[in-house]
Amino acid sequence: EVQLVESGGDLVQPGGSLRLSCAASGFTFSSYSMNWVRQAPGKGLEWVSYISSSSTTIYYADSVKGRFTISRDNAKNSLYLQMHSLRAEDSAVYYCVKGAFGDYWGQGTLVTVSS
Amino acid sequence: DIQMTQSPSSLSASVGDRVTITCRASQGIMNYLAWFQQKPGKAPKSLIYAASSLQSGVPSKFSGSGFGTDFTLTISSLQPEDFATYYCQQYKSYPLTFGGGTKVEIK
Repeated sequence: EVQLVESGGDLVQPGGSLRLSCAASGFTFSSYSMNWVRQAPGKGLEWVSYISSSSTTIYYADSVKGRFTISRDNAKNSLYLQMHSLRAEDSAVYYCVKGAFGDYWGQGTLVTVSS
Repeated sequence: DIQMTQSPSSLSASVGDRVTITCRASQGIMNYLAWFQQKPGKAPKSLIYAASSLQSGVPSKFSGSGFGTDFTLTISSLQPEDFATYYCQQYKSYPLTFGGGTKVEIK
């Protein structure tokens, strides 16, 4: 059974940093690209970042470019999102998503940016 | 960036109704189109990929069609568990983009 379990969400002050993690199981993690997608409270879905299976290709949404860094550790079956210079508008549930067409999603982790 | 426009943004329907949701891409995306269902407080669930391929385990009352710029998701006979918000998403190119969502409510 495919499982994606996010962690690391928290309440953080504006300008602060946070690192999200996603633990993957039930599939060959090293063979699949991964994405982070977020959803602000009461809003729609917004793609955040992409990383290819071997980390050779990485993309970011313009809204997070220069502040967020995606990475993965295929030996640990884990995906990460390092977030710096957090803003109120980054407040959202962050989902770890398998592949380009999102056949599996984690349960999400809540990031709240507020003073 | 490819813009995805869903319509309607919400609809009211009765159990047993046939429901159709449309999604239009701002440029051709071939069949790189996915549909998701999201219930309150839950993560999105994949229903369809490649515009018309049903994800494993998804009931056949869900179907998708379209190619290029115009796509549809159809629920053949709406059941209580189908009341949710539905999103389309293109994966032809990055940035991945989603439609604004269609909330299906009980009439």
